[in-house]
Order: sequence, then structure tokens, then C-alpha cells
Amino acid sequence: DIQMTQSPSSVPASVGDRVTITCRASQHISSWLVWYQQKSGQVPKVLIHAATDLQSGVPSRFSGSGSGTDFTLTISSLQPEDFATYYCQQAYTFPQTFGQGTKVEVK
Amino acid sequence: EVQLVESGGGLVQPGRSLRLSCAASGFTFDDYAMHWVRQGPQKGLEWVSGINWNSNSIGYADSVKGRFTISRDNAKNSLDLQMNSLRSEDTALYYCVKGSNSWGKNGFFDVWGRGTLVTVSS
Repeated sequence: DIQMTQSPSSVPASVGDRVTITCRASQHISSWLVWYQQKSGQVPKVLIHAATDLQSGVPSRFSGSGSGTDFTLTISSLQPEDFATYYCQQAYTFPQTFGQGTKVEVK
Repeated sequence: EVQLVESGGGLVQPGRSLRLSCAASGFTFDDYAMHWVRQGPQKGLEWVSGINWNSNSIGYADSVKGRFTISRDNAKNSLDLQMNSLRSEDTALYYCVKGSNSWGKNGFFDVWGRGTLVTVSS
């Protein structure tokens, strides 16, 4: 199975900060990488798919990069509504595995 | 409106069985793969199982393989998850999730139900 490793596990940040989260796959997954955001008490929401494609309706301050095994989610200027937990997920093959999550919290 | 509504959760003893169901509406059900994703208490997301549009391609997480069975009825717009030999570590909120394409891989999860809670405890 493909293991997904996110880092860091938590990010203390302030409004306006640039935040970067990384995700590493244990084997090549091409660009089949998805990023989700989950706010407390809510269901997850897709932000980025195919590593770099912004889902419709998602603010442009979110961006994704990478291919192969190393991927990055960047929030260019953190907004109050962005404090949440972020998960990466490989969509390359079954079983489709998630990373362990990165919590963006108030510094 | 696209909607997924799960049912069937509850409290069950270790070793027993439970069947979850998901009723889909607002989209052409047999055009899309469907999945189950779970989230344990204060834990992260875990993909459990997925099924493509015509049930020809099915996958399971290693943690449930041999115990859980996913199935779908395109005529009834429904998705099921039969869970046998349940363990305490299966305790979680189980989400029914719509895939973004028909074959299940190389896509993403674009619609989530609210979830049904499964608690495995004696």
C-alpha cells in the first residue's frame, strides 16, 4: 500500500501568514494527489485535485504543486476561515490512502 | 441538490455485524464511483472501501479486507457496507462519499454525507 506522510502535524500561524504543508508518498503517484480541508464539526471539502487543479469555488490563495512523490499545499495569505485540518490523499490506486493531517492553528 | 444520507450505524458488540446504507439523490448515481471513508474519534480520515460505477472494480483498506463488503444497487441509487467481525478499532463516523468519476481511481471525493456513527463496544 502507498503510505502518505504529511508534515508538519501542526502549524501555528497568524492571519496573513504564508503557510506551506508538505505531503510525501511512499511510491510514485504521478499527479494523483488531492488536498482536503476539514473544519471542526464539518465534513471534509476538496481544495485541490490532480496535485495542482483548484476546485471550483476555492479561493485562489490556495495552491498545490508537485508530482511523483513530493507535494505541497500553500496558503499564500492565511485568512481567519482557514484555521482547520488539512489532509492529502493519493488517488493513484486502491487502497486510496490519506495523510495523517496537518492542523493549522492560531499562533 | 446532490445529497447522500447514511443510515444503519449504532452500538454493536465486538465480533458482531452491522450493515450501513447510503441513499443518494440529485445526480445520476450510476455515472459515478462511490466510497466509504471513516473517521475515528479525534482521529484522521481513513478510506475504507470504494466501488466503481458498475461494481467491476472494488477496493478495500487492509484494515477491513476480508471483513467488510461494499455493494451498490444502481436501480435504487443506494450504496451499502456490510461490516462483519467488528472490532473496537472500527469505532468511527462512517461517511458515504461520491467520487468525481466513474471508475474510482484518479479522481477525488466531491460530495460527502453527514456520516453515521458506529460504536463497537461490549
